[in-house]
Amino acid sequence: DTAVSQTPKYLVTQMGNDKSIKCEQNLGHDTMYWYKQDSKKFLKIMFSYNNKELIINETVPNRFSPKSPDKAHLNLHINSLELGDSAVYFCASSLRGAETQYFGPGTRLLVL
Amino acid sequence: SQQGEEDPQALSIQEGENATMNCSYKTSINNLQWYRQNSGRGLVHLILIRSNEREKHSGRLRVTLDTSKKSSSLLITASRAADTASYFCATVGGGADGLTFGKGTHLIIQP
Repeated sequence: DTAVSQTPKYLVTQMGNDKSIKCEQNLGHDTMYWYKQDSKKFLKIMFSYNNKELIINETVPNRFSPKSPDKAHLNLHINSLELGDSAVYFCASSLRGAETQYFGPGTRLLVL
Repeated sequence: SQQGEEDPQALSIQEGENATMNCSYKTSINNLQWYRQNSGRGLVHLILIRSNEREKHSGRLRVTLDTSKKSSSLLITASRAADTASYFCATVGGGADGLTFGKGTHLIIQP
C-alpha cells in the first residue's frame, strides 16, 4: 500500500542513452512533481503536473520531458543523458492548493 | 536562487540532548515546512507553520517562525538515535505550487 512509488530504484546507464523513470501515487492526488537532488543534497523542483497540464517548468533542459498518462502517474523521460544528469530524482504528489507533499523513495541515476 | 539556507549544515549531539536547526529564506511566504530525509530515502513531512503563526508544536518538535527576520527554527527535544537524518526547510509562496528547499542540516545523534 505504498503511497508514492518510483521505478526503478537504481539506474546506471551510459552517456547518450535515453531512459525513463516511472512514478505512481495511490493517494488520489491531482498534482504530481519531479525534484532533482544533486550530490550536495540540494533539492530543486523540475516539473509539476495538475490534471495532465504542466503548471511549473523550472529551467531544466528540454532533454527532460514529463509524461502523465493519467493523474495517478507522472513519468520522467530523459533523452541523450549527460554526466551531469547523475542525481537522485524524487517524485511527489499533493492535492492542488494543499501545502504538504508526499514523496517517493527516489531513483538514483548514475550516468557513466 | 536558493530560497532557504539551513544552519548548521551538520550537527552531532548525544542522545537525549536537544537539537536546534535554523532556516532563513528570502522572499515572502504563505507557510514554511520542515521535512526529514533518512539516508537513502525520500522526504517525509514533519510540520508546517503558517506565516501568521509564530510557534507550533508536534510531539517532540517545536517550530518557530519570525517573518520579520525571514527565519525559522526547528527544535527536536530529547533526541533519539532514530532522529539521525537530514532536515530541510521548504517554502511555498507567490502562487507557485512547487516547494523550494534549503540545503538541509545533517543531524547525527550519537548513542
